[in-house]
Amino acid sequence: DTAVSQTPKYLVTQMGNDKSIKCEQNLGHDTMYWYKQDSKKFLKIMFSYNNKELIINETVPNRFSPKSPDKAHLNLHINSLELGDSAVYFCASSPDGGWFWQFFGPGTRLTVL
Amino acid sequence: AQKITQTQPGMFVQEKEAVTLDCTYDTSDQSYGLFWYKQPSSGEMIFLIYQGSYDEQNATEGRYSLNFQKARKSANLVISASQLGDSAMYFCAMSLNAGGTSYGKLTFGQGTILTVHP
Repeated sequence: DTAVSQTPKYLVTQMGNDKSIKCEQNLGHDTMYWYKQDSKKFLKIMFSYNNKELIINETVPNRFSPKSPDKAHLNLHINSLELGDSAVYFCASSPDGGWFWQFFGPGTRLTVL
Repeated sequence: AQKITQTQPGMFVQEKEAVTLDCTYDTSDQSYGLFWYKQPSSGEMIFLIYQGSYDEQNATEGRYSLNFQKARKSANLVISASQLGDSAMYFCAMSLNAGGTSYGKLTFGQGTILTVHP
């Protein structure tokens, strides 16, 4: 049973398109996150949700919009994709914010051509 | 704002030997958590070990231990008896136990690539 799952695993698309990445966790956690890992392997938080409420919104372009229909799901929609959006996107979850370690999904490798 | 620094881009170790991966952090908060994650070439992020800022004992998990020196703001990962499967990228990270916009936010270091030689 996968704890944190993401679909799709790979996403190749053209510049200007709109795409979504889905994330689901079956751990019963209250908090979910989106991280971006760039080509230099640097990881940076984008968003976090606690019980469907947006908590963290780092300096991310408005083209990125997270949506949490329930506390087990956190989807990421990206409008008007740009070359610089190419990266690996990780979803993660934790029982709560603060000191709990986060369980990461397998990642979605997005390539924008 | 918090910052994590990993100064070793790459490290090499012989199989069965111990290795230390360095991590220093910077924060003015008193309550924080320190984490190490492993990222093998397959890409997934695997949680290894956690240390709370108020924990007096160094954390240990199997072959992993965290050498926590609060005054020096360092949280080095020690891997004992290295195995070939330990070859991976290792990330140090920190989270503040604070509300508001820092809630649960993990700040990562640049990572260290560990290569274990047979």
